[in-house]
Amino acid sequence: NAGVMQNPRHLVRRRGQEARLRCSPMKGHSHVYWYRQLPEEGLKFMVYLQKENIIDESGMPKERFSAEFPKEGPSILRIQQVVRGDSAAYFCASSPWTANTGELFFGEGSRLTVL
Amino acid sequence: KNEVEQSPQNLTAQEGEFITINCSYSVGISALHWLQQHPGGGIVSLFMLSSGKKKHGRLIATINIQEKHSSLHITASHPRDSAVYICAVRGKETSGSRLTFGEGTQLTVNP
Repeated sequence: NAGVMQNPRHLVRRRGQEARLRCSPMKGHSHVYWYRQLPEEGLKFMVYLQKENIIDESGMPKERFSAEFPKEGPSILRIQQVVRGDSAAYFCASSPWTANTGELFFGEGSRLTVL
Repeated sequence: KNEVEQSPQNLTAQEGEFITINCSYSVGISALHWLQQHPGGGIVSLFMLSSGKKKHGRLIATINIQEKHSSLHITASHPRDSAVYICAVRGKETSGSRLTFGEGTQLTVNP
């Protein structure tokens, strides 16, 4: 039973390019969360998705960031026109059926570097 | 003031010592998580608590809901325990979906 899989593990982009980060939740998990960890800072919530629905995107920057969790395939966090300040580790976590009581399982993270 | 405060920020111990990391929070919660993060590595969930105490191997986590406080204890610490330990709470007032994190405690255990 594979854990939460994130790819790529490391991604380098130049300013203005797009970054796509993928997250495959654990088998049977239908809740996905994205968190960002800026250098020397703590983790911050970005977005919570269930299959085909965004449940809570209150932590997402208003512009350039979007997330989806389609019926088939991984969840994708998309960052358009990246800037240096987007350099961070992006972690995905998944949980089974209920968010309030479900254990969270984290991926290894995707580390984005913007040149 | 952050909603979740951890202490200490940094902790250095000798192998074999008993370690305590504290977490205080200011909001009503439905659950509290203790997480472990190794340098450059992923995040591992150690415990999820809503009351009382849990134990796993050399790790013990306790929570006092009335005092809004939790502790993570490591008995007989080992250099491989060196990592950042993060306290995170799931608020009652939110959709229940988001965690609010402490800044983490950097633990170094020397041989």
